[in-house]
Amino acid sequence: GQNIDQPTEMTATEGAIVQINCTYQTSGFNGLFWYQQHAGEAPTFLSYNVLDGLEEKGRFSSFLSRSKGYSYLLLKELQMKDSASYLCAVGARGTPLVFGKGTRLSVIA
Amino acid sequence: DTEVTQTPKHLVMGMTNKKSLKCEQHMGHRAMYWYKQKAKKPPELMFVYSYEKLSINESVPSRFSPECPNSSLLNLHLHALQPEDSALYLCASSQDGVVVYQETQYFGPGTRLLVL
Repeated sequence: GQNIDQPTEMTATEGAIVQINCTYQTSGFNGLFWYQQHAGEAPTFLSYNVLDGLEEKGRFSSFLSRSKGYSYLLLKELQMKDSASYLCAVGARGTPLVFGKGTRLSVIA
Repeated sequence: DTEVTQTPKHLVMGMTNKKSLKCEQHMGHRAMYWYKQKAKKPPELMFVYSYEKLSINESVPSRFSPECPNSSLLNLHLHALQPEDSALYLCASSQDGVVVYQETQYFGPGTRLLVL
């Protein structure tokens, strides 16, 4: 099976930088996804990492270390609209994508 | 068109009713998914269709019955549901459908279902 762990809640200030961590344990690792989900809406794709390192996409970056079973999502220049849940999801060979419980981020003025 | 659409947006049904949820995508994706999501929980996979064939059924009760009439459409037929089935039902699609586990999934807005 798979075990995915991420903090339940985080709070950060508008304009700041926040890092949301995700640790996982799985066999046959095949990639890690980050999704953003606003309350009552569908998850939207943010990033996909399958190799170690940092992937940057505008204000959002995602990092992966396969040997440590660790990823983080970095959000820069936070905006109020970034208040949402951030879901880490792990793909593994032979099993469907498994989502973590999500981190609810609140951005305050 | 990069959208997955779902209808209806909201649905209230009694435990003896029969209803259907619909999902449509026109991105040429060959894999489609149904998820169930309870409040403040992550999405839980229910079914996966790959090339219009059911490839994964995550031990879902038979009161949920999926159907894939063609590569663009996915239905979820509901019958004799229980109040605990009340949730947000999300449809998603991904491109290839062959190795679904490492494909980016694109989600529809969901149907919020309330069973009374």
